[in-house]
Amino acid sequence: NAGVTQTPKFQVLKTGQSMTLQCAQDMNHNSMYWYRQDPGMGLRLIYYSASEGTTDKGEVPNGYNVSRLNKREFSLRLESAAPSQTSVYFCASSETGEGEKLFFGSGTQLSVL
Amino acid sequence: DAKTTQPPSMDCAEGRAANLPCNHSTISGNEYVYWYRQIHSQGPQYIIHGLKNNETNEMASLIITEDRKSSTLILPHATLRDTAVYYCIVRVDNAGNMLTFGGGTRLMVKP
Repeated sequence: NAGVTQTPKFQVLKTGQSMTLQCAQDMNHNSMYWYRQDPGMGLRLIYYSASEGTTDKGEVPNGYNVSRLNKREFSLRLESAAPSQTSVYFCASSETGEGEKLFFGSGTQLSVL
Repeated sequence: DAKTTQPPSMDCAEGRAANLPCNHSTISGNEYVYWYRQIHSQGPQYIIHGLKNNETNEMASLIITEDRKSSTLILPHATLRDTAVYYCIVRVDNAGNMLTFGGGTRLMVKP
């Protein structure tokens, strides 16, 4: 049981480049989330998906898009990366109605130069 | 969600109990207290949660005061691997998707 798997673990982009962060979970959870964590700060919710086919904005959605490809996978896309998006990105999942008991992936460290 | 206040950092000797406090004086009757921890740069890990009664699991114990305005997470025998940032969050159960992590307490377990 892998839990929540994120790829890649590290990425360096130039300003203006695009990329997609991948996330997959094998726990049959309905809800999935993307957070970002800036150095020395707490986590901030970017987008979430309460169920397959639905997505909603979190606290800091600007500059990002998401796709809930199927029940297992939830991807985060940066269309035109900016240095302000340098951060560690965490994907998480939870049972429906238990959005407080999250299971997190190991994170993607993204640097935008 | 009610606001929580935690000390920014604490030390604990290895093998001793670590008691991490959290103030949540504006907590409402249907809000639970949740604790997570984040070890180094890993993803946060759920520890425990409770409403009114004290709770215990294999990782920790949660003590909630009778007026529910504060709580304490207890790691009974802290090890070096318990060094982490601990987050206290209050939240209505089954409220969905906007779980917010504040600054937390950085616990340093020392040999």
